[in-house]
Amino acid sequence: AQSVSQHNHHVILSEAASLELGCNYSYGGTVNLFWYVQYPGQHLQLLLKYFSGDPLVKGIKGFEAEFIKSKFSFNLRKPSVQWSDTAEYFCAVTSAGGFKTIFGAGTRLFVKA
Amino acid sequence: EAGVAQSPRYKIIEKRQSVAFWCNPISGHATLYWYQQILGQGPKLLIQFQNNGVVDDSQLPKDRFSAERLKGVDSTLKIQPAKLEDSAVYLCASSPGPNPGGYTFGSGTRLTVV
Repeated sequence: AQSVSQHNHHVILSEAASLELGCNYSYGGTVNLFWYVQYPGQHLQLLLKYFSGDPLVKGIKGFEAEFIKSKFSFNLRKPSVQWSDTAEYFCAVTSAGGFKTIFGAGTRLFVKA
Repeated sequence: EAGVAQSPRYKIIEKRQSVAFWCNPISGHATLYWYQQILGQGPKLLIQFQNNGVVDDSQLPKDRFSAERLKGVDSTLKIQPAKLEDSAVYLCASSPGPNPGGYTFGSGTRLTVV
């Protein structure tokens, strides 16, 4: 069965620090990969997605993620975080051609001003 | 573009009572999803509709949960009777088709069962 693992449940960073959130999935076939973000008091929204092509995907607000097929990973990165990046981040996986999207448990990021 | 509308935003009920949630997806989106998000966990799919047909309800506790999307537009999710462990945020999402390039989520309904 598909599963998604996010390594850190809570991350605390100071502004301008670099961010990397880990995401690993278990599925042997072709996958579509997503990162969603939920800012405090707001609904989940799509940050970026990978379907095919360049494994380095750029999303909104300076975020990027790299798909490493051999490691079944899709880690989220940002070179310099801001206080406004404080949010919960969810990695999600859909098997290509499948219908069900599986979400990780989420990582809560707190950025100190 | 209007987003996914959900109501109510909050609901508190006693165990064994019934409750219903409503969702209106983005206009033209054929696929509608109900997710349950328990505190500290990621969203878990309960049921997926394609128009007014069910695509996947394998994780829906059918002894107490039911959902319908009669006209292929808005949808209701019902719990009867509720248990304490049903306390969660119930999220509705929609997408243009069944293999989405990402969902659009509503704000969710936070249910507390006491």
